[in-house]
Amino acid sequence: KAGVTQTPRYLIKTRGQQVTLSCSPISGHRSVSWYQQTPGQGLQFLFEYFSETQRNKGNFPGRFSGRQFSNSRSEMNVSTLELGDSALYLCASSLAGRGEYNEQFFGPGTRLTVL
Amino acid sequence: AQSVTQLGSHVSVSEGALVLLRCNYSSSVPPYLFWYVQYPNQGLQLLLKYTSAATLVKGINGFEAEFKKSETSFHLTKPSAHMSDAAEYFCAVSALDTGRRALTFGSGTRLQVQP
Repeated sequence: KAGVTQTPRYLIKTRGQQVTLSCSPISGHRSVSWYQQTPGQGLQFLFEYFSETQRNKGNFPGRFSGRQFSNSRSEMNVSTLELGDSALYLCASSLAGRGEYNEQFFGPGTRLTVL
Repeated sequence: AQSVTQLGSHVSVSEGALVLLRCNYSSSVPPYLFWYVQYPNQGLQLLLKYTSAATLVKGINGFEAEFKKSETSFHLTKPSAHMSDAAEYFCAVSALDTGRRALTFGSGTRLQVQP
């Protein structure tokens, strides 16, 4: 079974631009979560989508948004990029239905550099 | 809110020596705890998890961890380090208020294995 895939793997943008990152979960997984990893702040939860609905949200500004499609693929968007948005963005998928825990499987990440 | 603290941002051991990576958690409810490993330019891989079953948890690659409620600890150990264990290790707790679906990570411990 193929793992979680993220595209692109590397991205360079300039301040003020916007960016869209894509995540394809493991087949059959309906929950997709996004995390930001930076040297200063470490790994932080951005949001989780399940059945095309945002189910949980971390403490990030509204410039960070996401969505999930009917095939469970997810995208996250960052508008008006700032230098501090430079990070590794990780996507994780799980079976997780309502009220149950399931293991999260992480993709390789998209490394975003903002110049 | 739940949190984890990893003691020691860098740990260096000799090949064949005991590996001990420390993690303490804070949680007002029974926690779900995890250890993940991250190799350079890769995503996170789950080593092991505690979800309120056996307190001694065995994971992949010879790692294990013991949940100690009285000490609020979940330290990761491996009897004999191998060169391939060199990586960054993250302890995490899943937040109850997100249905245990959002992970809160520690700051990470980079393990070096000396020949």
